[in-house]
Amino acid sequence: SYVLTQPPSVSVAPGQTARTTCEGTNIGSKSVHWYQQKPGQAPVLVIYNDDDRPSGIPERFSGSNSGNTASLTINRVEAGDEADYYCQVWDTGSAYRVFGGGTKLTVL
Amino acid sequence: QVQLEESGGGVVQPGRSLKLSCAASRLTFSRPPTHWVRQAPGKGLEWVASILYDGSNQYYADSVQGRFIISRDNSKNRLYLEMNSLIRDDTAQYYCATQGEGGSLDLWGQGTLVTVSS
Repeated sequence: SYVLTQPPSVSVAPGQTARTTCEGTNIGSKSVHWYQQKPGQAPVLVIYNDDDRPSGIPERFSGSNSGNTASLTINRVEAGDEADYYCQVWDTGSAYRVFGGGTKLTVL
Repeated sequence: QVQLEESGGGVVQPGRSLKLSCAASRLTFSRPPTHWVRQAPGKGLEWVASILYDGSNQYYADSVQGRFIISRDNSKNRLYLEMNSLIRDDTAQYYCATQGEGGSLDLWGQGTLVTVSS
């Protein structure tokens, strides 16, 4: 089955740029989606199809995807961005949805 | 406001069954929920099952294949997850979600907690 690997944690100071990655074999050929989950809350879609933002998601959030690595970038990080972030793809070969293990973003 | 609401969670003994339900508000009639995702305490997200809108095909994670059944009642705009032969590893918050573009999950309920314990 398809595996997505994310770093367990990322730390950044307020106002700086946070970047986290999602690695998978030839992930650049798939559409990658990113979710934000704050403690005690349901996940929220923040990026879909590699680099599109749902309505209501700030422009500070962006994504990219190429080769074996997809990335989520958050510019001008705010305290409210502190959360777990999960990447996800649709493994069309198996029809499975696959999630990465998640990255905890800490705002220092 | 588009909303999904899960129900049916609770404490259940190993080996027993439980059926979850996901209700969608009227605004989601055109975008019904089609996925279940779970999250064990302190762990990450795990996709559980999906069903096509017309119910013609169902898909399951290996961890629940043969034990869980996903179904839907479009007349009631409800999604279900029948969980059989429950094991302790099935203990988790269970979320229903709608499918968005590219296979994303763009709307989630708040989840219902299932605890498998003797």
